[in-house]
Amino acid sequence: AQSVTQPDIHITVSEGASLELRCNYSYGATPYLFWYVQSPGQGLQLLLKYFSGDTLVQGIKGFEAEFKRSQSSFNLRKPSVHWSDAAEYFCAVGNDYKLSFGAGTTVTVRA
Amino acid sequence: GAVVSQHPSWVICKSGTSVKIECRSLDFQATTMFWYRQFPKQSLMLMATSNEGSKATYEQGVEKDKFLINHASLTLSTLTVTSAHPEDSSFYICSARTSGRTFSSTDTQYFGPGTRLTVL
Repeated sequence: AQSVTQPDIHITVSEGASLELRCNYSYGATPYLFWYVQSPGQGLQLLLKYFSGDTLVQGIKGFEAEFKRSQSSFNLRKPSVHWSDAAEYFCAVGNDYKLSFGAGTTVTVRA
Repeated sequence: GAVVSQHPSWVICKSGTSVKIECRSLDFQATTMFWYRQFPKQSLMLMATSNEGSKATYEQGVEKDKFLINHASLTLSTLTVTSAHPEDSSFYICSARTSGRTFSSTDTQYFGPGTRLTVL
């Protein structure tokens, strides 16, 4: 069965600084990988997804993620965070029909 | 982008009563809908998958007699928590996929804002 680990429960970053959120997965075959963001009162929003091809994936809101098969990782990055990026971020792996989510990383942005 | 709505956004009920949560896809037809449960500071756990016009498929450990799911149309799915108890208190999230049950690179899974259920 697939699983997802997000090692960082909470990250605090200064506005304008870079951000990297870690995600490691366990899955036997080539995974479908996703990053979602959850803001209070709003549904999870898809930031980006990887199915195949180029291992560097560009998403919305200036986010990107890199799939590294050798490290079983799919880390999310943003070069310069904005205060509006404060939210909960979830990494997920898809298998057939089911999405399995990590526990999430809370991002706090300080002025 | 596509929108998925849930109603109500929060509900408080007495132990032993039943609560119905609605999930609607507002601007697309959702062949497949999903129901998740999220505990505070934890991940989303898939409860069940439903396809329009057929019975829902429940994940292991989820009581199908307690969590009744009805996917009556391509835009509406309902989750009824029957005889609710305090341990059923949680955040319930529905999700809808634009294409079929299986992932494809061209479709997207959209999530509703969630319903906070508190059982007294």
